Amino acid sequence: GESVGLHLPTLSVQEGDNSIINCAYSNSASDYFIWYKQESGKGPQFIIDIRSNMDKRQGQRVTVLLNKTVKHLSLQIAATQPGDSAVYFCAENQYGNKLVFGAGTILRVKS
Amino acid sequence: GAGVSQSPRYKVAKRGQDVALRCDPISGHVSLFWYQQALGQGPEFLTYFQNEAQLDKSGLPSDRFFAERPEGSVSTLKIQRTQQEDSAVYLCASKPRTGGAGELFFGEGSRLTVL
Repeated sequence: GESVGLHLPTLSVQEGDNSIINCAYSNSASDYFIWYKQESGKGPQFIIDIRSNMDKRQGQRVTVLLNKTVKHLSLQIAATQPGDSAVYFCAENQYGNKLVFGAGTILRVKS
Repeated sequence: GAGVSQSPRYKVAKRGQDVALRCDPISGHVSLFWYQQALGQGPEFLTYFQNEAQLDKSGLPSDRFFAERPEGSVSTLKIQRTQQEDSAVYLCASKPRTGGAGELFFGEGSRLTVL
């Protein structure tokens, strides 16, 4: 079936650097994409979302980019901090309220 | 409470036992979801409630899985005759009537280990 996947399973960055986490999706009918952060032992926490009629959306220290031509989604984190260390999931909203999550990328921030 | 509350946080069951996992959503949240997260994987959708109505149960893996939300607030996920492949973290999430389609508020999950 169609699914959302990630290019890199683990990303290590130096504190203060920018991080870019990538995600490929295959369902061209999806109209809504979301990034979640999950810390160890906790549930996923909403970071930012973007609709398919947009190509960029900015939040506090985070930016999501959507390239529908190549079905690619990315999350950029500016000035990465140790507290950003977590697993990051992209997810797509297919029909109704159902979310389909990717496998996740581990972000490790080195001090 | 301030967030979604799940209990128990940890459950160890012998194969064949029945288990019940409880979710207390954020007060006033209309929508409630159950997801299953295997180790090292992303969450997978199980079922969705709007108030007391179960509108989508397409993700339930088998008829051993049953969910209910009789009064439109607390929900229970029941797994009968547990098997080892049921071992996972079961996440509950809720969403207010308004807000983005994907902005779910997740609990910390119930980790089920079937021996």
